[in-house]
Order: sequence, then structure tokens, then C-alpha cells
Amino acid sequence: EAGVAQSPRYKIIEKRQSVAFWCNPISGHATLYWYQQILGQGPKLLIQFQNNGVVDDSQLPKDRFSAERLKGVDSTLKIQPAKLEDSAVYLCASSLRLPGLAGGGFEQFFGPGTRLTVL
Amino acid sequence: SQQGEEDPQALSIQEGENATMNCSYKTSINNLQWYRQNSGRGLVHLILIRSNEREKHSGRLRVTLDTSKKSSSLLITASRAADTASYFCATDGGSNYQLIWGAGTKLIIKP
Repeated sequence: EAGVAQSPRYKIIEKRQSVAFWCNPISGHATLYWYQQILGQGPKLLIQFQNNGVVDDSQLPKDRFSAERLKGVDSTLKIQPAKLEDSAVYLCASSLRLPGLAGGGFEQFFGPGTRLTVL
Repeated sequence: SQQGEEDPQALSIQEGENATMNCSYKTSINNLQWYRQNSGRGLVHLILIRSNEREKHSGRLRVTLDTSKKSSSLLITASRAADTASYFCATDGGSNYQLIWGAGTKLIIKP
């Protein structure tokens, strides 16, 4: 089974430039997540999709970040314009919701991430 | 915001020894998960324990959960060099099953 694919793996840009990241989740996974992970910290959820609808984007800096998941499969995350503090690894994850189980819960499968450096 | 807090922040042990990491969290949860992250394989799910479970095993991993103390521990027995990684706990208490992550424990296994 193919895993979560992300591209590019690395990106270096200057502040105020724009950048886009792409994610292809595991086939059949309805839920897709974008996380930001700053060095030395745990992942921070930016946005969660269920199929092609946004479930939660409360921590997405909407003045500069945007994300979409057209057709409920691939997703793109864009930053425009980038700031120095956006330097981080951007992780995409997907999961297969397990309905009906008491307490819910399911594992997330992560892609390799995109390491963004903003100069 | 980060709900889980792992302890210790860093741990260095000899190969073959056992490693124990702890996680504390703040609010009620449905389940708690442990993940491992290293440069080779990225972030990988290890084990999930539900709020009505107290202990769970998977190979050399043993996880405990004490909901009254809002804490969990991960025990890795007979450690190997390949266990060198950062270990994160993630709690899932939201209605949309969002995971909230701690800052992780960095584990180094010395040969």
C-alpha cells in the first residue's frame, strides 16, 4: 500500500515570497491533515479536511495561509507571503475514520514532510 | 496549543536497557496515541490506548494510561539502536478527533 506522498521535500525561499506544498493521501482515506512542526516541538494542526470539506482551520493563519482539497483527494497548502517564522517542516497526514467504535480514535499516517526555510 | 507534556525531554541509555517515557495531559480524552519520529522513517504511529483501557502491549512496547492522573507512560524493553528517535504522545479529546501533541522525548540508545 502506497503511503502519503508529499512534494517538494525541501524548499528555500525569501521572505515575502509565496510557496505551495502538495499532498496525496493514502487511497480511501477520508480525513486529511496539514501540520506545522517547528524544530524541537510537536506537530501543530493547521487544518483538517473530511473529504473535501474543512472540519477545523482554527489554527490556520488565514491572512497568509490557504489550503484546499479539491475532489476530496489531493490537497495543497499555500503560504503567501512567507515570513521568517514560517520556517518549519510541513507534514501532511491522512486517516481512515472508524465509525461506530466507542470512543472513536484512529491512527494517522504521515508523509515525509516538506522542510521550508524562509530567508 | 499543546496538551501533552512528555517527560523527560531527553533520555540516553545503553542498548539493551529499558526506556520509560511519561506523558501528562490536561483535559478529558477519548484515547491517547504514541508516535515515533526519526529522520529515516518520519512520524510513525506506535500504539493507541483508549480511555477505558489501563494497559496495552505491542511487541517490546508497553503503554499504561491513568485517566485519574491524566498521565500515560511508554515503556520500551530491551532497547536497540534503531529505537533512537523522538517519541510523542498525542491526545484526542475533541469532537473531530483532532490530535493535540506534546513536545516529545528525545531518546538516544548508546551501543
